[in-house]
Amino acid sequence: GAGVSQSPSNKVTEKGKDVELRCDPISGHTALYWYRQSLGQGLEFLIYFQGNSAPDKSGLPSDRFSAERTGGSVSTLTIQRTQQEDSAVYLCASSQGGGRFGYGYTFGSGTRLTVV
Amino acid sequence: DQQVKQNSPSLSVQEGRISILNCDYTNSMFDYFLWYKKYPAEGPTFLISISSIKDKNEDGRFTVFLNKSAKHLSLHIVPSQPGDSAVYFCAASANAGGTSYGKLTFGQGTILTVHP
Repeated sequence: GAGVSQSPSNKVTEKGKDVELRCDPISGHTALYWYRQSLGQGLEFLIYFQGNSAPDKSGLPSDRFSAERTGGSVSTLTIQRTQQEDSAVYLCASSQGGGRFGYGYTFGSGTRLTVV
Repeated sequence: DQQVKQNSPSLSVQEGRISILNCDYTNSMFDYFLWYKKYPAEGPTFLISISSIKDKNEDGRFTVFLNKSAKHLSLHIVPSQPGDSAVYFCAASANAGGTSYGKLTFGQGTILTVHP
């Protein structure tokens, strides 16, 4: 597609339920990043995938969070047993190669997750 | 541990005047800095960047200044236009042991409102 697609755009879930957030990167982009923005906070790095390399999971806040990237394309971020502090906008970005110059990033519109 | 800080949550400016957005960082390993702009319900988009070997980079109405000794950068928008109203994030990247890697650390964002 032309851009990074994220679904759903909004998700309201009950505390304790599991949620899956999906990211469809730009075709051909080998690097994929997940960030989240909590209220009043900056964008917090969660996880980074680059090609077939092992992902950098150093930003995942707890073991309730996990992410996969199947076939080097679509990625799914899973949050198990959601808590209210998980409420945030979850943003996915992709870039061509793992270059560290962020102008190569294209962000999706995000998934707004609300845990009630 | 907020390594990148934007201490002004909001800024209001008259159309035609200069907008100055500020950003401070603490990690001396950061050597590449970027500004992103974000409209509501959209992902952030890249605006302008600067390498630590420079102290100024200009692109049209946008200029970024870097003061390494003070660990401070600023974004100047001249002249400001109503369409510039958005949230502005500064971000920084560290050369992680020579690995070409795109992980960015973001500030909390500043909401800019440009009044007609």
